[in-house]
Amino acid sequence: EAGVVQSPRYKIIEKKQPVAFWCNPISGHNTLYWYLQNLGQGPELLIRYENEEAVDDSQLPKDRFSAERLKGVDSTLKIQPAELGDSAVYLCASSAESGGDEQYFGPGTRLTVT
Amino acid sequence: GENVEQHPSTLSVQEGDSAVIKCTYSDSASNYFPWYKQELGKRPQLIIDIRSNVGEKKDQRIAVTLNKTAKHFSLHITETQPEDSAVYFCAASMGAANAGGTSYGKLTFGQGTILTVHP
Repeated sequence: EAGVVQSPRYKIIEKKQPVAFWCNPISGHNTLYWYLQNLGQGPELLIRYENEEAVDDSQLPKDRFSAERLKGVDSTLKIQPAELGDSAVYLCASSAESGGDEQYFGPGTRLTVT
Repeated sequence: GENVEQHPSTLSVQEGDSAVIKCTYSDSASNYFPWYKQELGKRPQLIIDIRSNVGEKKDQRIAVTLNKTAKHFSLHITETQPEDSAVYFCAASMGAANAGGTSYGKLTFGQGTILTVHP
């Protein structure tokens, strides 16, 4: 079984530029999560999708962050414009049908904003 | 919301010794407690989990215990090996047994423990 796939793995951009991250969850997993992980800390949830519906986006900074999961499979997280403080690892995770508590993470995208 | 505290922040042991990492949580509604291992530059990997209807779970050299009354849970690694060296994160969530509301499925992580196993 293929794991969660993310791209790109690394991204370096200048502040005020836009950036997008892509995630493809484990096949059959209808719940998808985006987490932010700062250096030396645990992941923090940004948004959770059940199929194509964002059911928890309370931690997403909506002034500059947006996400979509149009067909209920892969997802894109966007930042526009990026700020220096956005430098972090962006992790995607997925879990099975509602009630599946086990979350499996992708390798993450390491973003550096200069 | 849920708050998870993890200790110690760093742990150094000799190969073959045991390692114990402890976490406390604040929300009594949490009922699912996974542990993740994260090697440098890699994805967090689920290594073991426990639900609130169980007090202890073991998988080969790793075990997790849960004390619901005290709201704390611990990871125990026996016969440590150098390849156990990594950052370990505990987490808590309100899982399937308490579905509903926006907190469902949200993992709240501890701050992490850097485990170093010396050969």
